[in-house]
Amino acid sequence: GENVEQHPSTLSVQEGDSAVIKCTYSDSASNYFPWYKQELGKRPQLIIDIRSNVGEKKDQRIAVTLNKTAKHFSLHITETQPEDSAVYFCAASWQAGTALIFGKGTTLSVSS
Amino acid sequence: DTEVTQTPKHLVMGMTNKKSLKCEQHMGHRAMYWYKQKAKKPPELMFVYSYEKLSINESVPSRFSPECPNSSLLNLHLHALQPEDSALYLCASSQQESNQPQHFGDGTRLSIL
Repeated sequence: GENVEQHPSTLSVQEGDSAVIKCTYSDSASNYFPWYKQELGKRPQLIIDIRSNVGEKKDQRIAVTLNKTAKHFSLHITETQPEDSAVYFCAASWQAGTALIFGKGTTLSVSS
Repeated sequence: DTEVTQTPKHLVMGMTNKKSLKCEQHMGHRAMYWYKQKAKKPPELMFVYSYEKLSINESVPSRFSPECPNSSLLNLHLHALQPEDSALYLCASSQQESNQPQHFGDGTRLSIL
């Protein structure tokens, strides 16, 4: 089955710095890769996603890159703000895209 | 604003009780999901419904029984749960089953006494 590894498990940055979170996946058939942000006590919220026919996608301060050959994808947050502090989960599609397997999460702390 | 609505928000029950969790969406999504999330862990898939039929059961114990009465509703019936079943139960939906964004509800925080 699919396995998703996520690193680092915790990340602390100063406000205004960039943050990068990396994930690797095992199933070469996976072709959809969303990223979720979960604040304490709240639901996971989709922040960006990418499909395998695209190498990079941007949405304001957030970008995701995908390397299908190496089977890894990354989340990039620029000009971080304290409100970016949360747990971030990557995920990869599984079972012909019918389900998602999540990474273990990265706790991002942005200090002002 | 949450487009996937889950009730109740909190539930405390004994190990012999029977209760149900409810999930509703009105986005016309045809795939609905139940996840279990323990503190500081990622969501773990439990069940997937596609067009109101169960398509994936991730080897979930029979004390959890899902039901999809129609395309907008998803229930999770609970019976004889164990303390280790205490967790946040999340419902999600997506436009169709394959490779579409999943939108989560706020979850039901379940505590088993």
